[in-house]
Amino acid sequence: DVKVTQSSRYLVKRTGEKVFLECVQDMDHENMFWYRQDPGLGLRLIYFSYDVKMKEKGDIPEGYSVSREKKERFSLILESASTNQTSMYLCASRGIQETQYFGPGTRLLVL
Amino acid sequence: GENVEQHPSTLSVQEGDSAVIKCTYSDSASNYFPWYKQELGKRPQLIIDIRSNVGEKKDQRIAVTLNKTAKHFSLHITETQPEDSAVYFCAANWYNNNDMRFGAGTRLTVKP
Repeated sequence: DVKVTQSSRYLVKRTGEKVFLECVQDMDHENMFWYRQDPGLGLRLIYFSYDVKMKEKGDIPEGYSVSREKKERFSLILESASTNQTSMYLCASRGIQETQYFGPGTRLLVL
Repeated sequence: GENVEQHPSTLSVQEGDSAVIKCTYSDSASNYFPWYKQELGKRPQLIIDIRSNVGEKKDQRIAVTLNKTAKHFSLHITETQPEDSAVYFCAANWYNNNDMRFGAGTRLTVKP
C-alpha cells in the first residue's frame, strides 16, 4: 500500500519567513510532485522531480524552490512567504505506472 | 502542452439519480485519463482510469467513456449516494510523461 506523507497538516507563517514543506514516500517512486490547490483553479503543478537531485518547473514555480537529496523525500521551499501563497499544498508520487498517489496535504496560512 | 477543461464546476443531484462530469483535453498524444475523488479534508484518490486503446471502462456504479476523435472523456456515476459527494478531478497525460494536467474540479453534491 503506497504511503505518501507530508510533514504538517496545518501551518501558519508570517510574511517574509522561509517555509519548508516536506514530503516522503515509501514506494521507491522515481517521480515526485508538488501542487497547490485553490478553489476554482484545481491542482496546479509547482515543481516535479524525476530523480534524485533532478527538478523541473511546473506551471507556477515563481516564489518556490525544491530539493530532492534522497529518492524518498521531496521538499518544497518558500524562500520568503507572501500572503498570496496561502493555499493547500499537495505532494504526490508516481512510479513506472501512471497512477499518482497524493499526500494528505498541508494547509498553509501566511499572515 | 496539455490543457484540460472540466465541466460543470458544481453539480447537485438527488440520491439515486445519475451524475455526469465531462472533460476535454487538447493534446492528441495524451493516452492516459485518470479520475480522482477528493472528499472534504482528504487527499485526492484515484477512483478509475482509462487508456486510449479503450472506449469505456466500468467499475460497479462508476464508468468512464473516452472519445479520442473529439478529445473528450466523461465520468458517469449511477445510483448516486450521499457518500459520493466530493470534488472530482479529471486528468490527462501521455505515457510516462511527468506533466499530468488536471481539470479544475467538479463539486458533486448528492442530496438525500
